[in-house]
Amino acid sequence: AQSVTQLDSQVPVFEEAPVELRCNYSSSVSVYLFWYVQYPNQGLQLLLKYLSGSTLVKGINGFEAEFNKSQTSFHLRKPSVHISDTAEYFCAVSDSGAGSYQLTFGKGTKLSVIP
Amino acid sequence: KAGVTQTPRYLIKTRGQQVTLSCSPISGHRSVSWYQQTPGQGLQFLFEYFSETQRNKGNFPGRFSGRQFSNSRSEMNVSTLELGDSALYLCASSLGGDSVGYTFGSGTRLTVV
Repeated sequence: AQSVTQLDSQVPVFEEAPVELRCNYSSSVSVYLFWYVQYPNQGLQLLLKYLSGSTLVKGINGFEAEFNKSQTSFHLRKPSVHISDTAEYFCAVSDSGAGSYQLTFGKGTKLSVIP
Repeated sequence: KAGVTQTPRYLIKTRGQQVTLSCSPISGHRSVSWYQQTPGQGLQFLFEYFSETQRNKGNFPGRFSGRQFSNSRSEMNVSTLELGDSALYLCASSLGGDSVGYTFGSGTRLTVV
């Protein structure tokens, strides 16, 4: 079984400041890792994913994440946030070897960008 | 190209009724998954279909069922609705096979009264 812990339920940050949203996972097998964003009354949009290779993954809208296998973490970062980044962010994990990529999600982190 | 389309967007049903939600995946995508999102439980996996076969099922009661048609469109059905079934139901599609990563629809907001 897999699990995902997003350490902060809410993160307020001032506009143009950097932000880090933390994600830790637990799994007994190799995993794929994802970050999704959800705007109000909308579905989930994929920000980035780690499948293999370089541990630093760049995504859309200036976001990046670093996979740390020893710390079982996949933290999301952005060097300078914008008002439009206000949304809820979900970290997710799936088993890389199962042939079925069921996603297990964290509880989400609400990012509020303060003007 | 068109994204994942879910219909209807909003639905209000009475306790005890049944409901069917529809999902049209991105053209060419053969894998469709369903998730339930509630404030208390977050995002939970319901089931996944690939080429009309259910590959995986989450920990939900038998009142929740689904199917996939030959054109990859999928439906999920919930019978004997309970108040706790009120949620945002999200559908996601993927190419399947070795392709990893799902594209989500905007969801169907189900309210049970």
